Amino acid sequence: AQSVAQPEDQVNVAEGNPLTVKCTYSVSGNPYLFWYVQYPNRGLQFLLKYITGDNLVKGSYGFEAEFNKSQTSFHLKKPSALVSDSALYFCAVIGAGTASKLTFGTGTRLQVTL
Amino acid sequence: DGGITQSPKYLFRKEGQNVTLSCEQNLNHDAMYWYRQDPGQGLRLIYYSQIVNDFQKGDIAEGYSVSREKKESFPLTVTSAQKNPTAFYLCASGQSSGANVLTFGAGSRLTVL
Repeated sequence: AQSVAQPEDQVNVAEGNPLTVKCTYSVSGNPYLFWYVQYPNRGLQFLLKYITGDNLVKGSYGFEAEFNKSQTSFHLKKPSALVSDSALYFCAVIGAGTASKLTFGTGTRLQVTL
Repeated sequence: DGGITQSPKYLFRKEGQNVTLSCEQNLNHDAMYWYRQDPGQGLRLIYYSQIVNDFQKGDIAEGYSVSREKKESFPLTVTSAQKNPTAFYLCASGQSSGANVLTFGAGSRLTVL
């Protein structure tokens, strides 16, 4: 069975500082990995995905994520956080070529303060 | 604008009542999904459909029912058999491949009184 772990319920960062939101996964075979963001009382918005190729994936709003196969991780990063980045972030995984459906983590709340 | 429309945004239900949440998409996506979101539990898959007139149970289908009579529409009925229906419900759509990106609606918040 596939699974995703987001070990931090909340991450607090000062504006202008770099941020990291952690994600580790478990899946049979190769993974497809995704990050989504949710603002209050809204649906999820796609940020970025890893399918294959370059381990560093760049996405929307200046976010990027690094795929690390040996550590089964896909941490979300941004060099300089903005207050407007404050939201709930979800990591998701699906096994490549499987019939399974996308599995989401429990989410990490990012709080960026001035 | 292309997207997914969920209605109603807020819904209150008395115990014992069935309620139906609407989900319509104009993205020409083959697959549609219903998720339930509870604090601290992430998103859990209720039902999904990859083609018209066909759907499959997700991880927490008990107490829910769906239909897929049109490609654009995938309504979810929360029945009286669902023991704890108060939650935020999200509908999503995408193409039927593993790497597909899902587009989400804005959600429907159901509260049981």
